[in-house]
Amino acid sequence: QKEVEQNSGPLSVPEGAIASLNCTYSDRGSQSFFWYRQYSGKSPELIMSIYSNGDKEDGRFTAQLNKASQYVSLLIRDSQPSDSATYLCAVPMDSSYKLIFGSGTRLLVRP
Amino acid sequence: SAVISQKPSRDICQRGTSLTIQCQVDSQVTMMFWYRQQPGQSLTLIATANQGSEATYESGFVIDKFPISRPNLTFSTLTVSNMSPEDSSIYLCSVDRQSNTEAFFGQGTRLTVV
Repeated sequence: QKEVEQNSGPLSVPEGAIASLNCTYSDRGSQSFFWYRQYSGKSPELIMSIYSNGDKEDGRFTAQLNKASQYVSLLIRDSQPSDSATYLCAVPMDSSYKLIFGSGTRLLVRP
Repeated sequence: SAVISQKPSRDICQRGTSLTIQCQVDSQVTMMFWYRQQPGQSLTLIATANQGSEATYESGFVIDKFPISRPNLTFSTLTVSNMSPEDSSIYLCSVDRQSNTEAFFGQGTRLTVV
């Protein structure tokens, strides 16, 4: 049974701080990793994808991948109250196009 | 990203009835999926909608309960049959437009069964 694990939170950070969200996965063969943001009552929105070890930056977001340790993280710099949402980590099943989602981490950014 | 239109956006249904949810994409896509998100939970894949053939269901989901159609590369439907309150969830259509596993979601259908 392939698994994707996330701390459910809530993770509470003050406005302007760096929020760090972590995800571990069980399938050592996984090659692609995704972070989705889901606001309450809305559908998930893809915000980052990462395919190789190291860091990938996009605006205030940085995804970090460490395949040897089987974890992927998402850093949000200069956190804003509008970043308050649930962040879902997703990994494809068995190298297919089907995604396994973690349970999500709820982020609260305090003004 | 693809523009994915899903309807209805929400519905309240009586137990024992069925609801068909539609998913329309603005361009042809290879992969279409249906997910369920139960209250307070993460997303669980129901099935892959295959164009021109029967859908591929994940463990715990069966065709009799969740029949799926995909008549072409831009449209799919999911029916939730013989509904019970346990079927109250958000149902989400997802597409993988570029066949690189980046999946995009429709706005979802919030279903309440009473």
